Amino acid sequence: DTGVSQDPRHKITKRGQNVTFRCDPISEHNRLYWYRQTLGQGPEFLTYFQNEAQLEKSRLLSDRFSAERPKGSFSTLEIQRTEQGDSAMYLCASSLREGDEQFFGPGTRLTVL
Amino acid sequence: GNSVTQMEGPVTLSEEAFLTINCTYTATGYPSLFWYVQYPGEGLQLLLKATKADDKGSNKGFEATYRKETTSFHLEKGSVQVSDSAVYFCALSDYRGTSYDKVIFGPGTSLSVIP
Repeated sequence: DTGVSQDPRHKITKRGQNVTFRCDPISEHNRLYWYRQTLGQGPEFLTYFQNEAQLEKSRLLSDRFSAERPKGSFSTLEIQRTEQGDSAMYLCASSLREGDEQFFGPGTRLTVL
Repeated sequence: GNSVTQMEGPVTLSEEAFLTINCTYTATGYPSLFWYVQYPGEGLQLLLKATKADDKGSNKGFEATYRKETTSFHLEKGSVQVSDSAVYFCALSDYRGTSYDKVIFGPGTSLSVIP
């Protein structure tokens, strides 16, 4: 396994459209995290999964955001009715177990016009 | 709440200069502390970590010591190279007795090393 992968790497959309991002973690990693990073800032936690269970969601994750990890492997992050303020880099990370090093993917850069 | 503060950049140094990037934290429980690095065009990578007070994390010539009394985790390197040019993020993961919380990152410090 070569690491965490994310798809797409770049997404440009118009305001009001829905977008979905995919993250494939490192095989056998039980924990999967989503973060959002805006220019000049550190990543901000959005949500995380232990296997298929979503254990915590940040206040940053409005009702327009939903994340799933249906089989405990890959995860999707969907943003409905996108707004210009959603423009950011969306990062996915995985770890083998709690407290372990998190390995980050390359991110999906979203631009909302 | 838990938070991380680090020195503002950008930091510009000449090759072989000494580097210090200051980081202080606020946390409940028993945090683990990390430095992550993001090279241009690449994803975040863990540079080093320390899990308890007085631990020293080290990697690639970089070091940081977990100082509980000053709630600090300053990053140092004795002689920087051009290839060290990147953005450095201080971060913590707070262990609350039953599980580790999510990782909280500082805003990042951009380092440019010139030949």
